[in-house]
Amino acid sequence: SQQGEEDPQALSIQEGENATMNCSYKTSINNLQWYRQNSGRGLVHLILIRSNEREKHSGRLRVTLDTSKKSSSLLITASRAADTASYFCATGRIDRGSTLGRLYFGRGTQLTVWP
Amino acid sequence: NAGVTQTPKFQVLKTGQSMTLQCAQDMNHNSMYWYRQDPGMGLRLIYYSASEGTTDKGEVPNGYNVSRLNKREFSLRLESAAPSQTSVYFCASRAGQGRTYEQYFGPGTRLTVT
Repeated sequence: SQQGEEDPQALSIQEGENATMNCSYKTSINNLQWYRQNSGRGLVHLILIRSNEREKHSGRLRVTLDTSKKSSSLLITASRAADTASYFCATGRIDRGSTLGRLYFGRGTQLTVWP
Repeated sequence: NAGVTQTPKFQVLKTGQSMTLQCAQDMNHNSMYWYRQDPGMGLRLIYYSASEGTTDKGEVPNGYNVSRLNKREFSLRLESAAPSQTSVYFCASRAGQGRTYEQYFGPGTRLTVT
């Protein structure tokens, strides 16, 4: 499968703690993206890291990418109750014979942040 | 600027009925996508359209058809609904066709087929 696989499937923490989610994948990629989905809503893009980048920051988010291990991690620092959501990694690539970039999604990590 | 809009939000169909899910984006994006999301699963691509007038199959196209009506609109049709098509359907769009563009998602359509 070309999908990313997130680990853990569920994570429960207290406000103020850091949350770390991991993503592993099997094929070569052009980029890896993280999305958030609040219950009953659509996905919202959080951050994109290119295959030639190792680390990227955006506010309280830190993403790392290790292409040799085919893995990525998303760190949310100082978590808040509002961070409660499902988080998905998606690997971006252009398939052979196509000119259109596609995303392959994992099954997600359900993060619960308790007040 | 509404982003990506989808109609309807909820729908219940009987087996064998047909319906069309509508999607529109106002961001002048070239590429549009239809996904389905099932419990415990990530999103799976049904069909996509790189530009107006072109469509291609994704991972799970069986039982669906699509129309890229114009640059703004991309509809998904179920000709004869089956219980296995009970799912949440998401439409998405993005600016370019290349490697490094994020996708913007609509709020989803929850479809139940009885």
